[in-house]
Amino acid sequence: AQTVTQSQPEMSVQEAETVTLSCTYDTSESDYYLFWYKQPPSRQMILVIRQEAYKQQNATENRFSVNFQKAAKSFSLKISDSQLGDAAMYFCALVHGVFGKGTKLTVNP
Amino acid sequence: NAGVTQTPKFRVLKTGQSMTLLCAQDMNHEYMYWYRQDPGMGLRLIHYSVGEGTTAKGEVPDGYNVSRLKKQNFLLGLESAAPSQTSVYFCASSLTDRETQYFGPGTRLLVL
Repeated sequence: AQTVTQSQPEMSVQEAETVTLSCTYDTSESDYYLFWYKQPPSRQMILVIRQEAYKQQNATENRFSVNFQKAAKSFSLKISDSQLGDAAMYFCALVHGVFGKGTKLTVNP
Repeated sequence: NAGVTQTPKFRVLKTGQSMTLLCAQDMNHEYMYWYRQDPGMGLRLIHYSVGEGTTAKGEVPDGYNVSRLKKQNFLLGLESAAPSQTSVYFCASSLTDRETQYFGPGTRLLVL
């Protein structure tokens, strides 16, 4: 069975600072994809970033980047220059609809 | 291009009543999913479909049925609602199971 674990139920960061959200996973597949989704208070889920497991290079999308450690089955999300609009629930996910329980990120002005 | 839409947005049911949640997507996606979201539990997959006419069970399928008669629609049914089914329900679609999932706005269901 595939699993995704987010060990930080809540995190906080000061505006303009950097924060890292942790995610570990387990899968027996060799070729898979990992995702970070954001759910703001509006409840609308949107993709933040996606990583293909066979690619060694870490994915980057503007202020968002990942640290993908395949051997350790770790997939953390780094948010640089945090903004008030980054405040949301963040979910780590594997393919096939396997999601972690989420991390609530608070951004303090 | 509306993306993924869900009907209704909010519903209150009494225990034992039935209802159907409708999900529609206009992106010609093959895969469609139904999730429930409960506090502290993240998203849990109820059922999914890999194409028109197909359905499969997810992590928490009991008490729910689904149908995908048309490629663009994925229906979630509750035959006899229970208070444990009080939740927020999300529908999503994707081109393949390895692609980004696009989510609907959610349906909040309260079962009394």
